[in-house]
Amino acid sequence: NAGVTQTPKFQVLKTGQSMTLQCAQDMNHEYMSWYRQDPGMGLRLIHYSVGAGITDQGEVPNGYNVSRSTTEDFPLRLLSAAPSQTSVYFCASSYTRGRAETQYFGPGTRLLVL
Amino acid sequence: AQTVTQSQPEMSVQEAETVTLSCTYDTSESNYYLFWYKQPPSRQMILVIRQEAYKQQNATENRFSVNFQKAAKSFSLKISDSQLGDTAMYFCAFMKPPAGSYQLTFGKGTKLSVIP
Repeated sequence: NAGVTQTPKFQVLKTGQSMTLQCAQDMNHEYMSWYRQDPGMGLRLIHYSVGAGITDQGEVPNGYNVSRSTTEDFPLRLLSAAPSQTSVYFCASSYTRGRAETQYFGPGTRLLVL
Repeated sequence: AQTVTQSQPEMSVQEAETVTLSCTYDTSESNYYLFWYKQPPSRQMILVIRQEAYKQQNATENRFSVNFQKAAKSFSLKISDSQLGDTAMYFCAFMKPPAGSYQLTFGKGTKLSVIP
């Protein structure tokens, strides 16, 4: 049981480049989400999904796209990277019933946009 | 919208001593969840303790306990018998009852250093 995994661990991009941050979970969780963490701030919600085929925007969605074709995977796409997207990105997952409030976080992806 | 405030950017404590981290929040909801997350230098977010607002009893997890004051909208974390491994950033977080976004609203964090 690997929990929530994220790849890559670290990435450097040039302004305008695109990339996909990968997130996978093996706990059969319906809910998955992406947060970003900037220096001196807590985590802020980017996008989330309550099941395959269902996604919605969080607090800071601009510049990011998501899709959820399977229960296990929830990739985050940066279409045209900007220096303001330099951050640490965390994926999280949980059930949507029972102890739905307990979210499990991945190890994070550190992204540097030059 | 909910807000979470952690007024202590940094704190330090001697090993084996007790330390309390403060957190206040603002919400119009009557039912919600509160959390403390630990983020060590590895950056992994680790759930330390959770509290359900409708439960008056303060949550405890081994050396970690909370003082939940609903009327004052205060949720402090007490760490007893501090250990070197407790050195980390600690984030207070709020969630409305799971419905829709399940969004966690985080404070800015408190950096805790445990001194040998």
